[in-house]
Amino acid sequence: DTEVTQTPKHLVMGMTNKKSLKCEQHMGHRAMYWYKQKAKKPPELMFVYSYEKLSINESVPSRFSPECPNSSLLNLHLHALQPEDSALYLCASSQQAGGFNEQFFGPGTRLTVL
Amino acid sequence: QKEVEQNSGPLSVPEGAIASLNCTYSDRGSQSFFWYRQYSGKSPELIMFIYSNGDKEDGRFTAQLNKASQYVSLLIRDSQPSDSATYLCAVEYTGTASKLTFGTGTRLQVTL
Repeated sequence: DTEVTQTPKHLVMGMTNKKSLKCEQHMGHRAMYWYKQKAKKPPELMFVYSYEKLSINESVPSRFSPECPNSSLLNLHLHALQPEDSALYLCASSQQAGGFNEQFFGPGTRLTVL
Repeated sequence: QKEVEQNSGPLSVPEGAIASLNCTYSDRGSQSFFWYRQYSGKSPELIMFIYSNGDKEDGRFTAQLNKASQYVSLLIRDSQPSDSATYLCAVEYTGTASKLTFGTGTRLQVTL
């Protein structure tokens, strides 16, 4: 299994809603990432987890809350989002964190905040 | 500010020709270089990575790295219409624990 899976594919939510994005990999990778990508822009790193511990938070607003329950699973909890948070949210994984490790992306969740 | 620069394109090449995509980066302390292909509305797909100076070939793709010139390129031989996509260059800088810095991407159009 060489895939990173993400659910849901699409999500529409209001500004007062709470929702979660889910990412799963079964490649034995020990580093997992959340990226945000706006239209016609490159992906922007949000969070890095290494061995289930948060190692990088790129000054992301607290309305985004990541969680890594185990080495295969990564969640992103969303609360009180703004319309400008509408974007493609990408999960990625790599064998390790810290150099010379290729990152593989999941298909993404397209989020629309109304 | 660590930067990765790419020409946004579009780069238009005829079918069967060689497409040459270029990327420059600002920090000599970089260690890993990646090329991702992204179709419209889809997620980035890793197509090549290179860590050492020189050329690395994989099928129709060749990545070239010149650390002295801070330059990495991707050659696509025998370009096909299915190669039409945005190509993202990504650089991992030393000491940033797998943080990839992406260029803005070059849009490639392969014409019939």
